[in-house]
Amino acid sequence: ETGVTQTPRHLVMGMTNKKSLKCEQHLGHNAMYWYKQSAKKPLELMFVYNFKEQTENNSVPSRFSPECPNSSHLFLHLHTLQPEDSALYLCASRQQDSVQNTEAFFGQGTRLTVV
Amino acid sequence: GQNIDQPTEMTATEGAIVQINCTYQTSGFNGLFWYQQHAGEAPTFLSYNVLDGLEEKGRFSSFLSRSKGYSYLLLKELQMKDSASYLCAVRQGQNFVFGPGTRLSVLP
Repeated sequence: ETGVTQTPRHLVMGMTNKKSLKCEQHLGHNAMYWYKQSAKKPLELMFVYNFKEQTENNSVPSRFSPECPNSSHLFLHLHTLQPEDSALYLCASRQQDSVQNTEAFFGQGTRLTVV
Repeated sequence: GQNIDQPTEMTATEGAIVQINCTYQTSGFNGLFWYQQHAGEAPTFLSYNVLDGLEEKGRFSSFLSRSKGYSYLLLKELQMKDSASYLCAVRQGQNFVFGPGTRLSVLP
């Protein structure tokens, strides 16, 4: 238990569907991240939110739409995805602190399959 | 550009010592982090270095040379449960750039 909870754990969706991934952190952190983990590829940063403001969009296609309503919750809205978007989507949180070098805490991920 | 390299796979024997290397060339550097990831589970933090030298945490140690763009993770007294992927990551500002990970198999 890392203090970061993702739901659902598994999701199968068609290319015309709309779905959302949810992430909740119970650690009081002020920064949250979405990463994509594909087979045999490094973790790829998608989005970063700092104090609910998006500070990074790593050239992610518009069919992925993040939402951060408060510092504890992060969503990833999905629509008209492609089969190549099938991957493990990981959420992470971190306490952004100018003094300490703090690590990121990861959720267990949502295994997404696009059919 | 950003480039972080690790060996793809390694195999070691229970009770042995294994060293997993990581080399990096990145445009910024605010620390190097090591994570462990078991199949189907979240990556979990192991160790980090921001200054050159060795950091020891129980059976795990991590070393950093910033001038060489090089780090390693040392695992001692290997156990079967250490079979996992080990991810090297460079922090740049508030972002983490990950290497491809090294899949370690510990054999009896």
